[in-house]
Amino acid sequence: DIVLTQAPLSVSVTPGESASISCRSSKSLLSSKGITSLYWYLQRPGKSPQLLIYQMSNLASGVPDRFSSSGSETDFTLKISKVETEDVGVYYCGHRLEYPLTFGSGTKLEIK
Amino acid sequence: QVKLLQSGAALVKPGASVKMSCKASGYTFTDYWVSWVKQSHGKSLEWIGEIYPNSGATNFNEKFKGKATLTVDKSTSTAYMELSRLTSEDSAIYYCTRGALCWGQGVMVTVSS
Repeated sequence: DIVLTQAPLSVSVTPGESASISCRSSKSLLSSKGITSLYWYLQRPGKSPQLLIYQMSNLASGVPDRFSSSGSETDFTLKISKVETEDVGVYYCGHRLEYPLTFGSGTKLEIK
Repeated sequence: QVKLLQSGAALVKPGASVKMSCKASGYTFTDYWVSWVKQSHGKSLEWIGEIYPNSGATNFNEKFKGKATLTVDKSTSTAYMELSRLTSEDSAIYYCTRGALCWGQGVMVTVSS
């Protein structure tokens, strides 16, 4: 199974500042079709996960452009610019390259 | 819009089974795979498996083979997951999803005597 390792475990951010979350894959997530199958999700407290980014760098519909993602075949970074209080929650990376789909262990974002 | 509405919370005894539902609306149910994801308390997400409503074809995480059974009712656009021989390790929230984008609200399953 593909292992996704996230860092840090938690991050505390002052509103208006930026935050970065790392996700490292045990295997290249570049598919034979040239698509990098890395996804980012936000799970707000008490809610279902919400898709933020698909195929490594594409913003999901309705997601503010304060969120961005980049990376290589195995190392990825989610950046949140100008953090707002509504960004609080746990961020997960996940892949959809092969079975089984797997997810990172999550990064908790808190507001200072 | 696309919605997945899941059944309510369940309290079940060890050794028993539980069947939960996921009713789809806002799209053609038979055109998209429906996945199921487990989230144990305070923990990350585990993909259980998926079903293609049009044919009933399934793919499973090896870890959940023999534990989870996936079915659909095309007439009501509803997907089902049954978990068998429940133990405390099965206490969790279970989500159905359509792809990465659409998630149900989750079903909390508590296994307790």
